[in-house]
Amino acid sequence: TQLLEQSPQFLSIQEGENLTVYCNSSSVFSSLQWYRQEPGEGPVLLVTVVTGGEVKKLKRLTFQFGDARKDSSLHITAAQPGDTGLYLCAGVRNNFNKFYFGSGTKLNVKP
Amino acid sequence: NAGVMQNPRHLVRRRGQEARLRCSPMKGHSHVYWYRQLPEEGLKFMVYLQKENIIDESGMPKERFSAEFPKEGPSILRIQQVVRGDSAAYFCASPPDSSYEQYFGPGTRLTVT
Repeated sequence: TQLLEQSPQFLSIQEGENLTVYCNSSSVFSSLQWYRQEPGEGPVLLVTVVTGGEVKKLKRLTFQFGDARKDSSLHITAAQPGDTGLYLCAGVRNNFNKFYFGSGTKLNVKP
Repeated sequence: NAGVMQNPRHLVRRRGQEARLRCSPMKGHSHVYWYRQLPEEGLKFMVYLQKENIIDESGMPKERFSAEFPKEGPSILRIQQVVRGDSAAYFCASPPDSSYEQYFGPGTRLTVT
């Protein structure tokens, strides 16, 4: 069983649409990160959130950490084909040794 | 990928052979994580190492897999007597000390024929 569940698994939208990707758990995390991975490459860090309720913006991307630090969301406004990729959330628990990854959301933005 | 080096990028092995995957973390980083990724899936933690120490190997299969991070040189993930099910992408990541963040290498894609 996954400690972090991501939804949806797949998302195919038209350029210009908005979307939200969710990352949920029943466990509390010290922090959550979001990564984007393109085919044949390693994941690239987008953002880290550490405080419950925290909201961070990165251009058209908005990241939120739940108040209870069990979940997070990623919202993309006016999606572009360049946003296409696999979006992964990852969390760190108190022992700080291990990063738990969700199974990912595969986003395809059609021109 | 922020200076984390992995080689080879692609590795083909026949069943029963050994696979050696190398990872050089970012300069000055003394921690390395190894992950495994199957197609269309997320990353599965395998092992966390500091120089000359294995900190957490709870994600490593009990047999055939081993990892090391010597005082000098890259970290090595070694898979003995490979089987088809070992085919996957293997990534290493190095975080800055005391950081929540992971910087990943480009991965090694292992194919077992």
